[in-house]
Amino acid sequence: GAVVSQHPSWVICKSGTSVKIECRSLDFQATTMFWYRQFPKQSLMLMATSNEGSKATYEQGVEKDKFLINHASLTLSTLTVTSAHPEDSSFYICSASRQVEGGTQYFGPGTRLLVL
Amino acid sequence: AQRVTQPEKLLSVFKGAPVELKCNYSYSGSPELFWYVQYSRQRLQLLLRHISRESIKGFTADLNKGETSFHLKKPFAQEEDSAMYYCALSGADNFNKFYFGSGTKLNVKP
Repeated sequence: GAVVSQHPSWVICKSGTSVKIECRSLDFQATTMFWYRQFPKQSLMLMATSNEGSKATYEQGVEKDKFLINHASLTLSTLTVTSAHPEDSSFYICSASRQVEGGTQYFGPGTRLLVL
Repeated sequence: AQRVTQPEKLLSVFKGAPVELKCNYSYSGSPELFWYVQYSRQRLQLLLRHISRESIKGFTADLNKGETSFHLKKPFAQEEDSAMYYCALSGADNFNKFYFGSGTKLNVKP
């Protein structure tokens, strides 16, 4: 149990377009979902935390107007990279946690974004 | 400031040798520490958390609040242990904040 999926697994887009990434908890209800960004050979950087039905909490330095997060249900969160630029190219990973397990997070496989 | 430090980027050991992956943290509140592992071409997965005090795949980790450390240990490394290991920190009273260390790549040689 506790499987998290992401879609798409990779995406290539033109500069200036917007890209939406979906994160779903397939077999459990996630009280909290997290969005991370990972640069090559670097660690995960937490971008934002979202709870179902409330606004996401963004980490310092992360533009909320650039990275729109919607957590519409207990099983789905979306990250939209608006007006993407080449510097937004990265590996985006989501994770989900459920309250009964405290801080344990279940990770999605990640989405590779390449902005041309 | 909250911080997780993993001083070693790469750790190479021979099969059967003991292994210790170091993790130090800085946190103002009551911390909860985790080790996550990422095998090649797989997603991150939880290895263990300090509150569980369990041994997973022969790995153990003890939270030392005096030294603010949470080192991961295994007495006899196996080749299948080769992976990327991340130490992570959260607040025991606030799981909405999560901080990862930079990771240590463990390479177990035959």
